[in-house]
Amino acid sequence: GNSVTQMEGPVTLSEEAFLTINCTYTATGYPSLFWYVQYPGEGLQLLLKATKADDKGSNKGFEATYRKETTSFHLEKGSVQVSDSAVYFCALSLTTSYDKVIFGPGTSLSVIP
Amino acid sequence: NAGVTQTPKFRVLKTGQSMTLLCAQDMNHEYMYWYRQDPGMGLRLIHYSVGEGTTAKGEVPDGYNVSRLKKQNFLLGLESAAPSQTSVYFCASRRTGENTEAFFGQGTRLTVV
Repeated sequence: GNSVTQMEGPVTLSEEAFLTINCTYTATGYPSLFWYVQYPGEGLQLLLKATKADDKGSNKGFEATYRKETTSFHLEKGSVQVSDSAVYFCALSLTTSYDKVIFGPGTSLSVIP
Repeated sequence: NAGVTQTPKFRVLKTGQSMTLLCAQDMNHEYMYWYRQDPGMGLRLIHYSVGEGTTAKGEVPDGYNVSRLKKQNFLLGLESAAPSQTSVYFCASRRTGENTEAFFGQGTRLTVV
């Protein structure tokens, strides 16, 4: 079936550290890939997306590249800030059943000063 | 532009009581979703709708009912609440298409005692 797997958290980093959150997917067909972020006490909001292989999504210093050969969409940021503390969700939607969005389990990130 | 609005934000129910959660969106989106978020479980899809008057089951529909009588509103009902339904509930909406962004409400924190 279609699914999204993320690295388990929680992840704790010091301010200005490099961040990688791994995401891999299983999908029939050609998915669009997303990263959503959930700040404490809020709903999810879109962070970035990529719609085809080798596309790079970027926003607020975060980047992720759609790797079809490894079925991955890892999230990276070169220098995290305390304000980046949140839960990050990798997600996909499919051209064959685009009425649904499939989310990964989420990865909690805490950035300490 | 309000986006997606959920009411209420918090609620405590006794086992066996009923309630309805309301989701309203003002973006003219076709698709609407109800998710529940539990620690360590990520987001799980309860029910969804691809248009006014249509609904479909997600991965955890038991114990819930939904209605989409108007395009802008998506109601989630609990007929007889159980402690296992203690959770944070999120509503989301999207335009049609496989790479469209999902917009989320702020969530409803429900406790069943």
